[in-house]
Amino acid sequence: GEDVEQSLFLSVREGDSSVINCTYTDSSSTYLYWYKQEPGAGLQLLTYIFSNMDMKQDQRLTVLLNKKDKHLSLRIADTQTGDSAIYFCAERGGQNFVFGPGTRLSVLP
Amino acid sequence: ETGVTQTPRHLVMGMTNKKSLKCEQHLGHNAMYWYKQSAKKPLELMFVYNFKEQTENNSVPSRFSPECPNSSHLFLHLHTLQPEDSALYLCASSPSSGEQYNEQFFGPGTRLTVL
Repeated sequence: GEDVEQSLFLSVREGDSSVINCTYTDSSSTYLYWYKQEPGAGLQLLTYIFSNMDMKQDQRLTVLLNKKDKHLSLRIADTQTGDSAIYFCAERGGQNFVFGPGTRLSVLP
Repeated sequence: ETGVTQTPRHLVMGMTNKKSLKCEQHLGHNAMYWYKQSAKKPLELMFVYNFKEQTENNSVPSRFSPECPNSSHLFLHLHTLQPEDSALYLCASSPSSGEQYNEQFFGPGTRLTVL
């Protein structure tokens, strides 16, 4: 079945860039998503990328997609303490979403 | 405000209790979802409803019983749960479940503890 993998933890210093990586197995995925979950809250869509794109930029967020290697990354520029959260990668090839385990981003002052 | 609300936000219940979780969306969407988020597992899809019809039951035990009376409301009825069912239960909605680009909007979740 489909599978999505992420590293579980990432720590960065405030002001540095964060890069969160994700790999997926379903080559038919048409859209890939990044969601953010803050403590005590549900998931919030951050950004998405269509599978025929290799890069998408949205303010401080840059998504890179390597479709050949089935590798997706999210770069957060000038990381702030408010960016501390769990980030989920998700793919949708069939009808339903498959989420990764989430990467917990800690931003150190 | 995500447009998806869930009540209660926290619930503690014994294994013999019966309780219900409620989800309501104010976005005019036609698809609604229940997910289970445990501490050590990826987000697990439980049920999908599209236009009030159940289209997915992801091998969920019968002690969880969903109900979707209309496109705006989704319930999860709980009975004789086990301690391992303790988790955050997230509801989501989307315009429909069949579109390829299909942003899901999540509620804040119900934190369930089964004693």
